[in-house]
Amino acid sequence: NAGVTQTPKFRVLKTGQSMTLLCAQDMNHEYMYWYRQDPGMGLRLIHYSVGEGTTAKGEVPDGYNVSRLKKQNFLLGLESAAPSQTSVYFCASRTGGGQPQHFGDGTRLSIL
Amino acid sequence: DQQVKQNSPSLSVQEGRISILNCDYTNSMFDYFLWYKKYPAEGPTFLISISSIKDKNEDGRFTVFLNKSAKHLSLHIVPSQPGDSAVYFCAASDASGTYKYIFGTGTRLKVLA
Repeated sequence: NAGVTQTPKFRVLKTGQSMTLLCAQDMNHEYMYWYRQDPGMGLRLIHYSVGEGTTAKGEVPDGYNVSRLKKQNFLLGLESAAPSQTSVYFCASRTGGGQPQHFGDGTRLSIL
Repeated sequence: DQQVKQNSPSLSVQEGRISILNCDYTNSMFDYFLWYKKYPAEGPTFLISISSIKDKNEDGRFTVFLNKSAKHLSLHIVPSQPGDSAVYFCAASDASGTYKYIFGTGTRLKVLA
């Protein structure tokens, strides 16, 4: 049972570079989320999706873009990475009806 | 504006004793609350939840209490075990259809053997 898989697990970027983080879930969940975790800040919602082809902004969306072209995948893009985006990124998914989220194991991203 | 607050960054408890983790919220529209547990280098895992129509929910050693008038919830772990040492996050959601879960900043629990 794969659940929620995040790729890559670690990445180091230089300021100004771009990259895409991939989240894949095999549970046929409608809702998917991207969070970032920073020391003392908890989990902050970046963007989320309530279904294939839909996306919406969360608490801290600036500097990020997302796409959900397929139900099982939710991509998070950084067009021009900045040191302030150094963080651990978590993807989550869930079914409807107020069910809890299932999380991936995170992507640790460092931007120099 | 932190809508979900966990004011204790850390807590240490002796094995076998009760651990009490607290969470406060400000948004009266929140109607569903969850606790997650997180080990280092892993994603958070769901522990227990409670709906606003209840004031208590139990699952084995874990009990969540909700005090709506005080906008406060707590997680009790009895008895505490060394394997419970982790970071615990509370989260809240509202019925407005936004589908968003707002997380607190987490409390690091250390259970001492």
